[in-house]
Amino acid sequence: AQSVTQPDIHITVSEGASLELRCNYSYGATPYLFWYVQSPGQGLQLLLKYFSGDTLVQGIKGFEAEFKRSQSSFNLRKPSVHWSDAAEYFCAGAYSGAGSYQLTFGKGTKLSVIP
Amino acid sequence: NAGVTQTPKFQVLKTGQSMTLQCAQDMNHEYMSWYRQDPGMGLRLIHYSVGAGITDQGEVPNGYNVSRSTTEDFPLRLLSAAPSQTSVYFCASRLGQFNEQFFGPGTRLTVL
Repeated sequence: AQSVTQPDIHITVSEGASLELRCNYSYGATPYLFWYVQSPGQGLQLLLKYFSGDTLVQGIKGFEAEFKRSQSSFNLRKPSVHWSDAAEYFCAGAYSGAGSYQLTFGKGTKLSVIP
Repeated sequence: NAGVTQTPKFQVLKTGQSMTLQCAQDMNHEYMSWYRQDPGMGLRLIHYSVGAGITDQGEVPNGYNVSRSTTEDFPLRLLSAAPSQTSVYFCASRLGQFNEQFFGPGTRLTVL
């Protein structure tokens, strides 16, 4: 069955440091992949998406993600973290074999930022 | 545009009670979905719809009903609430299969 795995439940970084959040997928074919961010008490906001083409995807708020087929990964990166980036981050995938491309979410990675 | 709206924001129920969580969108989106979010579990799909009159089950449909009589509205009904349904519920919509999914602000439900 298709799945999305986020190996890290909680990550703490210092403000100004670089960030990488991991995401691995398990699908029979190339999925469509997404990263969402959720601030406390809020809904989810789309950071970026990968459908096809260039494997390095740029998103909002200075985030980028790289699709690596050989590693079944879609890791999210940011070169310099700001305190306002503290939130929970969700990787999600959609698969063409799942009917109407419904999203499957990972369990999330909570990011804490130290001043 | 108001986007995706959900009511109520908070609700407390007793076991066995029924209620409807409301979801509406004003973006003329065909696709709408309901998710529940539990700590450490991410978001899990309950039901979804690909257009008025068309609904289907997601990963965790038991105990919930949906209908889609209009493009704008996609209510979620809890038939007989159970403590296991204590969760935060999110409604989402998108224009089509390959479009961005927009989320509502959520409804926090507690079942005692």
